[in-house]
Amino acid sequence: NAGVMQNPRHLVRRRGQEARLRCSPMKGHSHVYWYRQLPEEGLKFMVYLQKENIIDESGMPKERFSAEFPKEGPSILRIQQVVRGDSAAYFCASSPDSTSGNTIYFGEGSWLTVV
Amino acid sequence: AQSVTQLDSQVPVFEEAPVELRCNYSSSVSVYLFWYVQYPNQGLQLLLKYLSGSTLVESINGFEAEFNKSQTSFHLRKPSVHISDTAEYFCAVSDRSGYSTLTFGKGTMLLVSP
Repeated sequence: NAGVMQNPRHLVRRRGQEARLRCSPMKGHSHVYWYRQLPEEGLKFMVYLQKENIIDESGMPKERFSAEFPKEGPSILRIQQVVRGDSAAYFCASSPDSTSGNTIYFGEGSWLTVV
Repeated sequence: AQSVTQLDSQVPVFEEAPVELRCNYSSSVSVYLFWYVQYPNQGLQLLLKYLSGSTLVESINGFEAEFNKSQTSFHLRKPSVHISDTAEYFCAVSDRSGYSTLTFGKGTMLLVSP
């Protein structure tokens, strides 16, 4: 009965490289959320996806960041041409549907370090 | 739009002492309220949530929180803390009529010492 699975747990990238973070939701969940946690900050919402659809991307930076949740396979958060300011913990979460009040289950996070 | 304020970034307490972690929110719409806990280098786990009904909600490990609509607060309390309660605690809200996306406060680090 696996929870939300994220990989890699830790990722080091040089400035200008690409980072790809993967997230497999809990079994039976078709809704995925990505949050970013910067040092000394709380979690900031980035994007909310359903299979093959982006529902809300109001928290995504306009450039270099993209997310997808294909029909098959995990959700991917992609950061192109990373900069030092992208260093953060990225958390994926999932829920069975979009009903507000549902418990959202979080993965253990992917820590991105840009050097 | 909603916002969540956790006034204390750190709360140090001794083991077996009571603790209260404060949370206030601001919203133009009705919200649901949550407390999540994050242990070092781990993801967030739901501690408790308020959806409706009794304004006092409890978790299985002795925490409780009370929804106060007039003060727009959802403070978290525990009468006697353990060393193992040392963690970061996040208060969050979601729009009742919207999606299940959460707006978080900045977190309060609870430091329990012997």
